[in-house]
Amino acid sequence: DAGITQSPRHKVTETGTPVTLRCHQTENHRYMYWYRQDPGHGLRLIHYSYGVKDTDKGEVSDGYSVSRSKTEDFLLTLESATSSQTSVYFCAIARAEDTQYFGPGTRLTVL
Amino acid sequence: QQQVKQSPQSLIVQKGGISIINCAYENTAFDYFPWYQQFPGKGPALLIAIRPDVSEKKEGRFTISFNKSAKQFSLHIMDSQPGDSATYFCAASMKSNYQLIWGAGTKLIIKP
Repeated sequence: DAGITQSPRHKVTETGTPVTLRCHQTENHRYMYWYRQDPGHGLRLIHYSYGVKDTDKGEVSDGYSVSRSKTEDFLLTLESATSSQTSVYFCAIARAEDTQYFGPGTRLTVL
Repeated sequence: QQQVKQSPQSLIVQKGGISIINCAYENTAFDYFPWYQQFPGKGPALLIAIRPDVSEKKEGRFTISFNKSAKQFSLHIMDSQPGDSATYFCAASMKSNYQLIWGAGTKLIIKP
């Protein structure tokens, strides 16, 4: 394993509530990424970070925000969850701009 | 220009056969081409990767073939086994960008 944990692993929430997913790494890697994976869409990048407090948007960032206050933690927040955000969320880490190592995923259901 | 096109979407191969998955790209600035394997309920895991200075890379039963002039690369799985049944993703990246550009995935089923 690449030393990545995600929490929670499963979550069921209601429309309109805020949700925060946590990614934690023990590798001290510079780059961290949040993806969502939906049937028929493969992996889609939500946000990524290239250092502490350095983040940028991916292709599907609307409705999501991120924060990285220390190297090991990258938080993804759904400001007001909607049913379209029901998905499996993966965190990934990378030492450089190439190989990414993925966490086990968080299955989120928004009712 | 940022897209990576992957085919086929799904593939069924008999045990012992060769599985071939293809990817094509447009951006000649890409300089790193990995393949990831994903089992149900798990995150994608790096399988094998290549840089454009070589035309082929082999690791066990897995081979990447890279054609720079055609802007295509492919994954070959020799002697395919039922345990190879998974979804495979190709991707591409460049040094000046922090992101991997992903193909849409191929669901591979190996029939015993």
